[in-house]
Amino acid sequence: RKEVEQDPGPFNVPEGATVAFNCTYSNSASQSFFWYRQDCRKEPKLLMSVYSSGNEDGRFTAQLNRASQYISLLIRDSKLSDSATYLCVVNGPTGYSTLTFGKGTMLLVSP
Amino acid sequence: GAGVSQSPSNKVTEKGKDVELRCDPISGHTALYWYRQSLGQGLEFLIYFQGNSAPDKSGLPSDRFSAERTGGSVSTLTIQRTQQEDSAVYLCASSHITDTQYFGPGTRLTVL
Repeated sequence: RKEVEQDPGPFNVPEGATVAFNCTYSNSASQSFFWYRQDCRKEPKLLMSVYSSGNEDGRFTAQLNRASQYISLLIRDSKLSDSATYLCVVNGPTGYSTLTFGKGTMLLVSP
Repeated sequence: GAGVSQSPSNKVTEKGKDVELRCDPISGHTALYWYRQSLGQGLEFLIYFQGNSAPDKSGLPSDRFSAERTGGSVSTLTIQRTQQEDSAVYLCASSHITDTQYFGPGTRLTVL
């Protein structure tokens, strides 16, 4: 089983749509969870951390299910500028501060 | 303030040559990380420096890869006797301990 698995997509959605990304991770000892965003030929940038109770930042909502080792990201009212690759990230396996990245899910928002 | 910077932004080299990639972390960040991203692949962890502690080298793919961090700041990733499979974007990130990692723009390495 891959350490962090994501649907590769691409997800093609119209503006205004709601889209959900799913991610599973294999390291049950992971304690920190994140979603990063990566634009084409750019570096990854932190979108949001993911907390056990779930958290929301504007149009973005992240959820964590530790029992199922599952993380999700929901984007509501998607904008053209949301088009990017979304990377699911967990800490480990070698220590607290190292991160393991999923391959990412590409999102394409069209007019 | 200034972010993480990397140089060169692009590097084309011939198979068998050595290359050095440089990373300048955000001032005051104690942790520094190297990753690489091959075409269509996720980020692959290479090495992690934290303060004066021994680096975590567990991600280095072979002994042709090495990295140094001088004075707790600038880091250099060296690849000896480059191979075509080394072609990738090499990304550096820095952070405070256990804090958000901020990435540099990367060095795109092409080995011919």
